Amino acid sequence: AQKVTQAQTEISVVEKEDVTLDCVYETRDTTYYLFWYKQPPSGELVFLIRRNSFDEQNEISGRYSWNFQKSTSSFNFTITASQVVDSAVYFCALISGSSYKLIFGSGTRLLVRP
Amino acid sequence: GAVVSQHPSWVICKSGTSVKIECRSLDFQATTMFWYRQFPKQSLMLMATSNEGSKATYEQGVEKDKFLINHASLTLSTLTVTSAHPEDSSFYICSAAGVHKAGELFFGEGSRLTVL
Repeated sequence: AQKVTQAQTEISVVEKEDVTLDCVYETRDTTYYLFWYKQPPSGELVFLIRRNSFDEQNEISGRYSWNFQKSTSSFNFTITASQVVDSAVYFCALISGSSYKLIFGSGTRLLVRP
Repeated sequence: GAVVSQHPSWVICKSGTSVKIECRSLDFQATTMFWYRQFPKQSLMLMATSNEGSKATYEQGVEKDKFLINHASLTLSTLTVTSAHPEDSSFYICSAAGVHKAGELFFGEGSRLTVL
């Protein structure tokens, strides 16, 4: 069975702090894709990153970075120097095997206070 | 990236009426579309998978007679909530899979349904 666990329900930080959102996944497939999405209060899902199971390189995009570790089945997301505009719900998600079904974690609500 | 458009963004209806939500892929052909439902402060739950030209596959616990899905073309899937009740009030989001890259999905903006 596939599963995505985001253990942090809510995180509150002060602006300019770094924050890491955890994501742990489960799958028996050797081919899978991991995603992070941002959902601001308006509701739409904003795609942040997709990583396939054969690419364990960490990625940095501006203030965002992702740490993919197959050994611990984790795909953590770090925001450096957080800003108020980063306040949103962040979802980690998994597509496993040949299916396009996207399995979402429960989400982490991030609040960045001025 | 590719664009997926949902319409309407907001809909308010009376209990007992039916509501149709459209999901269109604007610049690519979507062989498969997915419908998700999201209750307030909860995650997105997959309702059904829709393949063009065939019947939708519903997830366990989702009533297929209540949530009618039609995927008549490679660019359009519709979700009809029949005989809507207040407990159907939710945020409905579609996503579309193209034929370009494996694991590539594009989401619509979502449709917020309120049933009075």
